[in-house]
Amino acid sequence: NAGVTQTPKFQVLKTGQSMTLQCAQDMNHEYMSWYRQDPGMGLRLIHYSVGAGITDQGEVPNGYNVSRSTTEDFPLRLLSAAPSQTSVYFCASSSYAGVGRDTQYFGPGTRLTVL
Amino acid sequence: RKEVEQDPGPFNVPEGATVAFNCTYSNSASQSFFWYRQDCRKEPKLLMSVYSSGNEDGRFTAQLNRASQYISLLIRDSKLSDSATYLCVVNIRYKLSFGAGTTVTVRA
Repeated sequence: NAGVTQTPKFQVLKTGQSMTLQCAQDMNHEYMSWYRQDPGMGLRLIHYSVGAGITDQGEVPNGYNVSRSTTEDFPLRLLSAAPSQTSVYFCASSSYAGVGRDTQYFGPGTRLTVL
Repeated sequence: RKEVEQDPGPFNVPEGATVAFNCTYSNSASQSFFWYRQDCRKEPKLLMSVYSSGNEDGRFTAQLNRASQYISLLIRDSKLSDSATYLCVVNIRYKLSFGAGTTVTVRA
């Protein structure tokens, strides 16, 4: 049982490049989400999903796309990277019934630098 | 105005001391409340949920004041291992809002 896994751990991009951050969980959780964390700020919700085929925007969705074709995977796509997207990205999951009441399990994070 | 605000600290305390800090939240429709712990920019981990009546988990006590919209965390008999950043988290309709964190450093 690996929990929540994220790849890659580190990434450097040039402005304008696109890439996908991978997130997978093996706990059969319905709810998955992506956050970014910047110095001096709390984690900010980018996108979330309450189940396969269902996604919605969080607080800071611009410049990011998501899809949820399976329960296990929730990739985050950067369409055209900008220096403002330099951040640490965390993926999290929880059971749908537990969202807001139960533990959110976080992946180890992806540290992204955009030059 | 931020959804969740915390005193960033740092709170620098000796081993064995008691340390307490608060966070405030702006949305009165907030449904549930948590404290998470984060070490050195690693992933956050749930420390404890916060219930209306207040609750304890070992040396940690959490309180919720809905009328004044604040949440508190108290750590008794601080250990070196309690050094971390404590994140206040509020849930509104399946969206979690995080405070920026309060840093606690426990010194020997």
